[in-house]
Amino acid sequence: AQSVTQPDIHITVSEGASLELRCNYSYGATPYLFWYVQSPGQGLQLLLKYFSGDTLVQGIKGFEAEFKRSQSSFNLRKPSVHWSDAAEYFCAVARRQTGGFKTIFGAGTRLFVKA
Amino acid sequence: NAGVTQTPKFRVLKTGQSMTLLCAQDMNHEYMYWYRQDPGMGLRLIHYSVGEGTTAKGEVPDGYNVSRLKKQNFLLGLESAAPSQTSVYFCASRFPGGNVDEQFFGPGTRLTVL
Repeated sequence: AQSVTQPDIHITVSEGASLELRCNYSYGATPYLFWYVQSPGQGLQLLLKYFSGDTLVQGIKGFEAEFKRSQSSFNLRKPSVHWSDAAEYFCAVARRQTGGFKTIFGAGTRLFVKA
Repeated sequence: NAGVTQTPKFRVLKTGQSMTLLCAQDMNHEYMYWYRQDPGMGLRLIHYSVGEGTTAKGEVPDGYNVSRLKKQNFLLGLESAAPSQTSVYFCASRFPGGNVDEQFFGPGTRLTVL
């Protein structure tokens, strides 16, 4: 069955430090992969997506993610975190099915940024 | 261009009461979705629609009904609310076709059932 695992429920990093959020998926074929961010009281916003080609994808707000097929991972990174990055981050995987796509979301990782 | 909007933003119900959540999008998207978000569980799909007049069940449809009478609107109904339906509800939409299922989300409705 298709699944998405975000091993870290929450992470705390210092402002200016680097960040890596982990995401592992279970899916037979090459999936479509996404990272969304949810700021407090807001809906989800797409950060980046991967569906083919270069395995290192760039997103908005200085984020990037790398698809590693051998590890079934799609980790999100940022070299220098800003206080405004404090939010909840969701990894998602989609696959084609009759009538469209089926998208599964991970449970989310909440990022805290300390001064 | 407002994107995806949801009304109301907050609501408190008593057990057994009914209500309807409204989702509206002005992007001419065909596909629309209703999710619920619960702590530690991410987003779970309740119902979805692939076009005006069509609806389909998602992962957790029990206790909910939906209607898509107009392309731009997707309504989520709770006929007899239960405390287990306390959650944050998100609506999303997207274009049909294409290679990537990028969804656009509304700001959410926080529902508490007492």
